[in-house]
Amino acid sequence: DVKVTQSSRYLVKRTGEKVFLECVQDMDHENMFWYRQDPGLGLRLIYFSYDVKMKEKGDIPEGYSVSREKKERFSLILESASTNQTSMYLCASSLSSSSVTEQFFGPGTRLTVL
Amino acid sequence: GNSVTQMEGPVTLSEEAFLTINCTYTATGYPSLFWYVQYPGEGLQLLLKATKADDKGSNKGFEATYRKETTSFHLEKGSVQVSDSAVYFCALSTNFGNEKLTFGTGTRLTIIP
Repeated sequence: DVKVTQSSRYLVKRTGEKVFLECVQDMDHENMFWYRQDPGLGLRLIYFSYDVKMKEKGDIPEGYSVSREKKERFSLILESASTNQTSMYLCASSLSSSSVTEQFFGPGTRLTVL
Repeated sequence: GNSVTQMEGPVTLSEEAFLTINCTYTATGYPSLFWYVQYPGEGLQLLLKATKADDKGSNKGFEATYRKETTSFHLEKGSVQVSDSAVYFCALSTNFGNEKLTFGTGTRLTIIP
């Protein structure tokens, strides 16, 4: 079974702190994604990566950056956390294919910024 | 751009009731359509999908038919169980290969015994 793990289930940080959210997948997937999930807004794509060292902005990249140095690991970085970044963060991965494939999700990190 | 509009929740039903969760979409080209489910405390998992018009996706008693003429992909189940309580997300993709998904807002379903 594909497994996507995220470094923390719950995280509490202070305004202005630099925050790292880590995601690791064990199925050699090319594609990896970071979403945030907010009530009434669903999931919104922050960044995605389709290869090592490659990244593309999603719909809401402002205030975030990402790093993908190894195929299995995709990190989301909040350079200076703000209270409006309090949210649930979900990582996902998928196989790159000429046919439709599914995304596999991690359990999420609930981040609170005080 | 792409967008997905989902039935507002929350939805509360009694066990064995019939379920419909509406989903309509706007997309360029010919999207693939998905229903993902999120059980309490877990990440999302794929429930079913359809990749072309008139396709029917099905899994665990749930079904959805890709209707191009009405741009819809409604989720149905004939007899729900308490274990179906979850949040359901409709989504679409128009990017083969990297499968960037556009999600609806989610519908919380609670089934009462």
